[in-house]
Amino acid sequence: GIQVEQSPPDLILQEGANSTLRCNFSDSVNNLQWFHQNPWGQLINLFYIPSGTKQNGRLSATTVATERYSLLYISSSQTTDSGVYFCAVRGTTDSWGKFQFGAGTQVVVTP
Amino acid sequence: GAGVSQSPSNKVTEKGKDVELRCDPISGHTALYWYRQSLGQGLEFLIYFQGNSAPDKSGLPSDRFSAERTGGSVSTLTIQRTQQEDSAVYLCASTSDRINSPLHFGNGTRLTVT
Repeated sequence: GIQVEQSPPDLILQEGANSTLRCNFSDSVNNLQWFHQNPWGQLINLFYIPSGTKQNGRLSATTVATERYSLLYISSSQTTDSGVYFCAVRGTTDSWGKFQFGAGTQVVVTP
Repeated sequence: GAGVSQSPSNKVTEKGKDVELRCDPISGHTALYWYRQSLGQGLEFLIYFQGNSAPDKSGLPSDRFSAERTGGSVSTLTIQRTQQEDSAVYLCASTSDRINSPLHFGNGTRLTVT
């Protein structure tokens, strides 16, 4: 099945800093999503982005499908951005199949 | 309902007992997924239901695990003869049948096997 790798595994930021999280995947995808898991364990959908660029407030994401990677940008980070960020993909060979998750990036934003 | 609902939110059980976890997806969503998340780990796929098709059970870790989805809506994940290694958060997600539909997660059931 499709492999998903996220980097870095851990990130410590000072409030106000910017950061970039990366998701590499091994095959063509028809669906790619970024999630934030807050410290209480809730998984919140941030972006549906199988290709192109999207922005939502201080967060933005870019997926270059031909090169099989996606980037999540956090600008002017806040302590509420702390948590784990997951990338999830569904391969084109699994039209209606399972989503494969990366191992996540643990982000800690310090005041 | 407005979101994916899971119950119970917490379950403590003794080793060897059976447990049932319930997921009520968003109304109209045809696809339903179960994932497991152990402490500090990522999401492990368990099983996937899509409409009336046969479920993809490829992620179930052993024959002690089973799941069903009745009437294309509510799903129940059953773990028989629980073991301590089954302790984890069990997450359910649903999505519509549009290929670009986002995945919506419930808040999970935290299972502790003592």
